[in-house]
Amino acid sequence: TQLLEQSPQFLSIQEGENLTVYCNSSSVFSSLQWYRQEPGEGPVLLVTVVTGGEVKKLKRLTFQFGDARKDSSLHITAAQPGDTGLYLCAGSKNAGNNRKLIWGLGTSLAVNP
Amino acid sequence: ETGVTQSPTHLIKTRGQQVTLRCSSQSGHNTVSWYQQALGQGPQFIFQYYREEENGRGNFPPRFSGLQFPNYSSELNVNALELDDSALYLCASSSGQLYNEQFFGPGTRLTVL
Repeated sequence: TQLLEQSPQFLSIQEGENLTVYCNSSSVFSSLQWYRQEPGEGPVLLVTVVTGGEVKKLKRLTFQFGDARKDSSLHITAAQPGDTGLYLCAGSKNAGNNRKLIWGLGTSLAVNP
Repeated sequence: ETGVTQSPTHLIKTRGQQVTLRCSSQSGHNTVSWYQQALGQGPQFIFQYYREEENGRGNFPPRFSGLQFPNYSSELNVNALELDDSALYLCASSSGQLYNEQFFGPGTRLTVL
């Protein structure tokens, strides 16, 4: 089974700290997406990265796609309590009629005031 | 543009019963994926429907079945409910183009007693 491994699984930090979440695989993906999910709600798409080495910024969040398109990272600067949630990465291979995503198991982030 | 909607929001059933969950896809999307999510974990892929046909299935038993209708809305049916079927069931729609970005509904929280 092709999997995306996310680390760490759990993270509890104080407001104002920086953090990085990793998403790794031995497979190459044509694109990789990051989602954030709050309790009782569905995941919400944050960003899609498609080019090896690509960096995208969303306010205090910085996303990077590895040069070989096998891994990605999410860095949050000066975390705030509103950043609390489950962060999920998902990869797409776009092969033929393949319309499915391969999901990581998630990183549960708690930012304490 | 209408987002993904799911019904019901919450549901309580007893072991052995059957349940039908419903999902309306986002306007313009022809692909619907269903996921089961345990608390604090990533979504587990159940199956996907593309233009009314099943387009891939995860590691779920046959008592999990589905349908997609001409308007691309979808149903998930679960027969002979077991206690372990208690979870958040998520529906996601996508256009199937480019990067397979998926847009999630709020989910249905199923509790099996």
